[in-house]
Amino acid sequence: EIVLTQSPGTLSLSPGERATLSCRASQSVSSSYLAWYQQKPGQAPRLLIYGASSRATGIPDRFSGSGSGTDFTLTISRLEPEDFAVYYCQQYGSSPPTWTFGQGTKVEIK
Amino acid sequence: QITLKESGPTLVKPTQTLTLTCTFSGFSLSTSGVGVGWIRQPPGKALEWLALIYWNDDKRYSPSLKSRLTITKDTSKNQVVLTMTNMDPVDTATYYCAHHDQNLGYCSGGSCYPGNWFDPWGQGTLVTVSS
Repeated sequence: EIVLTQSPGTLSLSPGERATLSCRASQSVSSSYLAWYQQKPGQAPRLLIYGASSRATGIPDRFSGSGSGTDFTLTISRLEPEDFAVYYCQQYGSSPPTWTFGQGTKVEIK
Repeated sequence: QITLKESGPTLVKPTQTLTLTCTFSGFSLSTSGVGVGWIRQPPGKALEWLALIYWNDDKRYSPSLKSRLTITKDTSKNQVVLTMTNMDPVDTATYYCAHHDQNLGYCSGGSCYPGNWFDPWGQGTLVTVSS
């Protein structure tokens, strides 16, 4: 079973700063099956990125994803007030078919 | 517009069976490639995938919870039902259902890949397990 480890656990930044979030897999993951979600307090997660680097519909271009193999990154180029939230990476594994989430990274206002 | 909503008991006792219903609109579970998944989140903790059912009644379960889970669908009612047996206080969580569509894949570098993410999600329902 693939384990996703996100770092850091908490990222303290100011609006306008750049955020770099890491998602590391315990074994190689197909980049086509790596997604990122944003979750705000009291809300359901929202899809941000799929296929490691493709933005979901309506997601601003300040959000970008990259990576391959075991190391993936979500970058928020300039933090807006509404971007302070928890971010999760998720991968799909086909043998057996399962979906796995990382433990999350909280982006908080410094 | 796709919407999903979870319903079920807010409180269950230890050892009881939990039954949750996901009622959705904006898509059909008879369409090839479409599925509905269940994911849970204990208070203050991470997301955990539980189960998924496809249009063709193919079912997938989390290996760690497989013995306790059953997922079914009623296409005519636009509903998916998840049952979890032998509930324990550690199962206290917000339970979400979410739309899954392999048809919403993408192509890159000359290859095409099925969608394997969840979008959108229901609002979630908090289930507390306590005597």
